[in-house]
Amino acid sequence: AQSVTQLDSHVSVSEGTPVLLRCNYSSSYSPSLFWYVQHPNKGLQLLLKYTSAATLVKGINGFEAEFKKSETSFHLTKPSAHMSDAAEYFCVVSVSSGTYKYIFGTGTRLKVLA
Amino acid sequence: GAVVSQHPSRVICKSGTSVKIECRSLDFQATTMFWYRQFPKKSLMLMATSNEGSKATYEQGVEKDKFLINHASLTLSTLTVTSAHPEDSSFYICSASLLGLKETQYFGPGTRLLVL
Repeated sequence: AQSVTQLDSHVSVSEGTPVLLRCNYSSSYSPSLFWYVQHPNKGLQLLLKYTSAATLVKGINGFEAEFKKSETSFHLTKPSAHMSDAAEYFCVVSVSSGTYKYIFGTGTRLKVLA
Repeated sequence: GAVVSQHPSRVICKSGTSVKIECRSLDFQATTMFWYRQFPKKSLMLMATSNEGSKATYEQGVEKDKFLINHASLTLSTLTVTSAHPEDSSFYICSASLLGLKETQYFGPGTRLLVL
């Protein structure tokens, strides 16, 4: 069965410092993985996706993630946090069962301190 | 591109009434639309998957008679919460996937439902 585990429910960083949000996946074959961001009372915005091309994926707003098969990880990083990055982040794996369905991680709330 | 809208953004209704939520793909045709429910400070729970012109596929534990889904066209899906009760209060989010880019879902802004 496919699953994703987000290792931290909350992460706090100071503005201008690096961000690391961790995600591990479990999959019986090469997965498609996504990171989404959700601001309060808003829908989800796609940050980036990995679909078996380059293992280092660049997304919007300076975020990137690296697919590491040996570690079954897909951690999200950003070199320098901005106050506007404060939000909930979801790691997602796509499962094919006729239709492609998403399995969500439990989310990581990022807090950015001034 | 790939914009999904939902209407209404917020709705308050009395217990026992029905509420319809619309989900539209504004600038693309959606092969498939999905409906999720999100509880406060929780992750998204998939309720159902719908393809245009066919019956929705509901996840285990989701009552199909209570949460009616209609997917009349490639740009519109509706979720009707029938005989709503306070426990149905939640944040409902739809998403749509593009023809030819099936793995990627684009999400609507969500609808906050409060049942009194």
